[in-house]
Amino acid sequence: DSGVTQTPKHLITATGQRVTLRCSPRSGDLSVYWYQQSLDQGLQFLIQYYNGEERAKGNILERFSAQQFPDLHSELNLSSLELGDSALYFCASSHRDRSTDTQYFGPGTRLTVL
Amino acid sequence: ILNVEQSPQSLHVQEGDSTNFTCSFPSSNFYALHWYRWETAKSPEALFVMTLNGDEKKKGRISATLNTKEGYSYLYIKGSQPEDSATYLCAFITGGGADGLTFGKGTHLIIQP
Repeated sequence: DSGVTQTPKHLITATGQRVTLRCSPRSGDLSVYWYQQSLDQGLQFLIQYYNGEERAKGNILERFSAQQFPDLHSELNLSSLELGDSALYFCASSHRDRSTDTQYFGPGTRLTVL
Repeated sequence: ILNVEQSPQSLHVQEGDSTNFTCSFPSSNFYALHWYRWETAKSPEALFVMTLNGDEKKKGRISATLNTKEGYSYLYIKGSQPEDSATYLCAFITGGGADGLTFGKGTHLIIQP
């Protein structure tokens, strides 16, 4: 158990809908990262937040947004969902925002868009 | 676009044998390389973070080396055990680290009893 929690574990929804994925980092960690794992792709970095502020942006679609709250938990909002958004979404946390910091991964949320 | 290549894609090894696999990454603007172990139905687990050319890290029977000049890292497993069966991922980050980790697709290791 990494200490990172994600809810829900599974989510099934329809195209065009909007969902919110939630992540709580390890106690004391200030950075939260979001990754997407699709069927034929490796883990793709989406976005990073550090202490409430956006720090780095990867291959995140405009339909997707994220935020980190004062208690350091983070939410990833996915809207106007398409079939291709079906994937495993991981959240990871690290103590600071340094690239050399170990990132600890949560159990993931499996999103299925029908 | 950064490209991280891992080879082989999959590997079958007899229990007790030693094995190794490769992660290749762009050598320019290197900042750090991360190795993860990902077991089925679990989340990726951090193994090593490597930053310096010539770095060698060890954790039990698993070790890794880093060559930043030529852009590769090797992961070694000595005396493979069934519990070593997993996908091993490497992830690269450039100088400044402003873009997050770029992951390879992994080497899927199966240890046969």
